[in-house]
Amino acid sequence: AQTVTQSQPEMSVQEAETVTLSCTYDTSESDYYLFWYKQPPSRQMILVIRQEAYKQQNATENRFSVNFQKAAKSFSLKISDSQLGDAAMYFCAYRSGNSGNTPLVFGKGTRLSVIA
Amino acid sequence: NAGVTQTPKFQVLKTGQSMTLQCAQDMNHNSMYWYRQDPGMGLRLIYYSASEGTTDKGEVPNGYNVSRLNKREFSLRLESAAPSQTSVYFCASIGTGGNMNTEAFFGQGTRLTVV
Repeated sequence: AQTVTQSQPEMSVQEAETVTLSCTYDTSESDYYLFWYKQPPSRQMILVIRQEAYKQQNATENRFSVNFQKAAKSFSLKISDSQLGDAAMYFCAYRSGNSGNTPLVFGKGTRLSVIA
Repeated sequence: NAGVTQTPKFQVLKTGQSMTLQCAQDMNHNSMYWYRQDPGMGLRLIYYSASEGTTDKGEVPNGYNVSRLNKREFSLRLESAAPSQTSVYFCASIGTGGNMNTEAFFGQGTRLTVV
C-alpha cells in the first residue's frame, strides 16, 4: 500500500518570506498523481497544486510551486512571498494512476503559521 | 454550483446512539469517498464507492456502514456510536475517465462528538 509522510508537524514563516513543506511517499507504481491541499480554519479542503508523475516539469501555481523528485519519491511545496492567508494545515496526497476510482492517500499534515 | 453537500455540519451523540451522515454531489462523479480526520492523523479513508452499486472498505472501516443510494448520494452510518468515533468526517467525490488527475471535491465536513 502506498504511504505518504510529512515529517514537519508544524512550520512557521515570516510574512513575505519563503517556506518549503516536505513530503515523501512510498510506491512501486510508475503512474500516479500528487497533490497539495490546504485546510484553513474553516475546515474546507482546497486544492493548491497537482503534479502528474509522468511530467518532469515541476508544477507552479502563482506563489506555489513544487519540487518533484521522482527517483527520491519526494514532493515538496514551496510558498513564496508568504501571506497571512496562507496560514493553514497543508496535506500532501497521492493517487494511483492505475484505475479510475482509486482514493487519495493523505499524509498527516503540516500546520503552517505565518508571522506578521 | 453546490459541488459536494454534506449534512449535518455538527452533531453530538451519546454512546450507543446511531446516526447517518448524508453526502450528495451534483457533478456526475462516479467515485465517492468517506474520510475521517483526527488530530495528527491526517485524513484516513473509511469507505469508498467506485460507482453506483459498489462499495469497498478503506483503512478504518470498523464501526461504520455505507450506502451508495444512487450516483449522487453516498451515506455513512454509525450503528452504535463510540467515543473513538469522535472526529471530523469528510465526504469527497472524484470524476473518472480520461483525465485521471481530476481533483477531489470535498464537502465542508461534519464535526461529530460522541459522549
